[in-house]
Amino acid sequence: GAVVSQHPSRVICKSGTSVKIECRSLDFQATTMFWYRQFPKQSLMLMATSNEGSKATYEQGVEKDKFLINHASLTLSTLTVTSAHPEDSSFYICSAPRTGGTEAFFGQGTRLTVV
Amino acid sequence: GESVGLHLPTLSVQEGDNSIINCAYSNSASDYFIWYKQESGKGPQFIIDIRSNMDKRQGQRVTVLLNKTVKHLSLQIAATQPGDSAVYFCAETRSWGKLQFGAGTQVVVTP
Repeated sequence: GAVVSQHPSRVICKSGTSVKIECRSLDFQATTMFWYRQFPKQSLMLMATSNEGSKATYEQGVEKDKFLINHASLTLSTLTVTSAHPEDSSFYICSAPRTGGTEAFFGQGTRLTVV
Repeated sequence: GESVGLHLPTLSVQEGDNSIINCAYSNSASDYFIWYKQESGKGPQFIIDIRSNMDKRQGQRVTVLLNKTVKHLSLQIAATQPGDSAVYFCAETRSWGKLQFGAGTQVVVTP
């Protein structure tokens, strides 16, 4: 079964509004989670590293004020897309490595459409 | 810059044949490589991994080969089935859990 759960799977929002996406590790604690973005027919691009109890680390070119990340517990990280615009429409995917392991488990992804 | 890339964007394979998907990487310091399968609208699904101190690893119907001399990685799928149709990504880890993905190869299995 899924070890990382992402919610919602699909969301449509109006331009200018904010959307929150949740990523939960189901049967293990994840002090670190990762957020990726994937445009159609393209690869996954790392956006940021979510760190439990501290600030997220953003990749170059990713606006931290637009993509707010909160890792409030050892099993939950949230990504909030603020003031969403149509160009933010994408597939957002989170991953969480199990502590002591190297494999990263992925969520099911969230399809965001901004209209 | 450092990157992980693929040679073929689309691979068409007849059902029952073997598939070979290739990947080139540029960072010789990478120590762990993973192949993922992604079906439309879903997150990546782990297929098989290999550490840099190995050159071959086999799973169920899949084999990963690593050639560090030419920085090349391949995924072989035996007796390809319709359910194998998907996009396949190679990825490298540079730090724990943080992945850099290749461009992806679309595998299309034809009857």
